[in-house]
Amino acid sequence: GESVGLHLPTLSVQEGDNSIINCAYSNSASDYFIWYKQESGKGPQFIIDIRSNMDKRQGQRVTVLLNKTVKHLSLQIAATQPGDSAVYFCAENISRGTSYGKLTFGQGTILTVHP
Amino acid sequence: EAGVTQSPTHLIKTRGQQVTLRCSPISGHTSVYWYQQALGLGLQFLLWYDEGEERNRGNFPPRFSGRQFPNYSSELNVNALELEDSALYLCASSLPLRQGKRTQYFGPGTRLLVL
Repeated sequence: GESVGLHLPTLSVQEGDNSIINCAYSNSASDYFIWYKQESGKGPQFIIDIRSNMDKRQGQRVTVLLNKTVKHLSLQIAATQPGDSAVYFCAENISRGTSYGKLTFGQGTILTVHP
Repeated sequence: EAGVTQSPTHLIKTRGQQVTLRCSPISGHTSVYWYQQALGLGLQFLLWYDEGEERNRGNFPPRFSGRQFPNYSSELNVNALELEDSALYLCASSLPLRQGKRTQYFGPGTRLLVL
């Protein structure tokens, strides 16, 4: 489905803590997922992606977990820093049909990191 | 390596006018995508161009159109502007989908205000 909603979930953490941002995706046929970070006044920045044939993928300080059974995606950020403060979006993609090429975005989560 | 570039950065128009936004993809990327991010809403898929052809279109009226040039740059045109067209317009690019590459990289966006 399309992303809707005016009130974004928020997450506040202390610098150095680990952060977990959750996302429920809409389409069980989705087979590719991406996490983006968007800072104020900027375009979304690619963080990490995962295909549906995987349930975990790690990057630098970030880990994405995929649970296809419950259509849930999470982004874990280790040792969160003030520079991680931003809005985080998950996006899903289907490799066929009328949604081909289109990313469907979640509503976003505002992460605030306190020094 | 230069990222996705968009111009102009900001634009103010009045209702009924027409606007053209421009996007240059990352070198080597043949697919260009357009998204609308209205205030308080998530990113909504508008259009996808690949190798000069429109491949997919989101749920937007026909007054939203575009094209892709032989050098893979793209334009988004919006005719008969309405107040609700005020938004951040984001362009993204990717390697050819036929290569199985689906990661979309975003530009900084064009902020359009319709008065």
